[in-house]
Amino acid sequence: DVKVTQSSRYLVKRTGEKVFLECVQDMDHENMFWYRQDPGLGLRLIYFSYDVKMKEKGDIPEGYSVSREKKERFSLILESASTNQTSMYLCASSPVEPQETQYFGPGTRLLVL
Amino acid sequence: AQSVTQLDSQVPVFEEAPVELRCNYSSSVSVYLFWYVQYPNQGLQLLLKYLSGSTLVKGINGFEAEFNKSQTSFHLRKPSVHISDTAEYFCAVSDPYNFNKFYFGSGTKLNVKP
Repeated sequence: DVKVTQSSRYLVKRTGEKVFLECVQDMDHENMFWYRQDPGLGLRLIYFSYDVKMKEKGDIPEGYSVSREKKERFSLILESASTNQTSMYLCASSPVEPQETQYFGPGTRLLVL
Repeated sequence: AQSVTQLDSQVPVFEEAPVELRCNYSSSVSVYLFWYVQYPNQGLQLLLKYLSGSTLVKGINGFEAEFNKSQTSFHLRKPSVHISDTAEYFCAVSDPYNFNKFYFGSGTKLNVKP
């Protein structure tokens, strides 16, 4: 089974803090994704990566950056957390072939005070 | 860009009753279609997917969905629901030629009552 793990299930941070969300997958997938999930809005893509050190902006990249130094690990960084970044963050991965299915981690619920 | 519409934000249903969760998407070009389920405080789990072939797709936990190209719909059905089916369900559409183009609906919360 594909396993995608996220470093924290719940996080509480203060406005202005730098926040790191970590995601690790154990299936040697090339593609990895970060989404945020908000009630009534579904999932929105923040960033994705198709290879080590490669990244592309998704639909809502403002206020976020990412890092992929190793194939199995994809980090989401909030440079200066703000209250409007309070959300559920979901990491996903997919193989190159077949690349049609994304596999999700359990999510990190972030509260920014 | 694609848009995915899940018409019902919440669907209450009694145990053992049938249920249909509706999903429509905007574009009639070639797409892949998915249903994911999210149980409370968990990530998304793939229920079923349509890539090509038969328009009736069977998934896990007794769910099935039917692809209707003319109506650009991919409705999810189950003939008899259980309490354990209480969860949020997301419809998603992807572009077969761009792996990063994955569009999700806003979700439908299924509440199964005893």
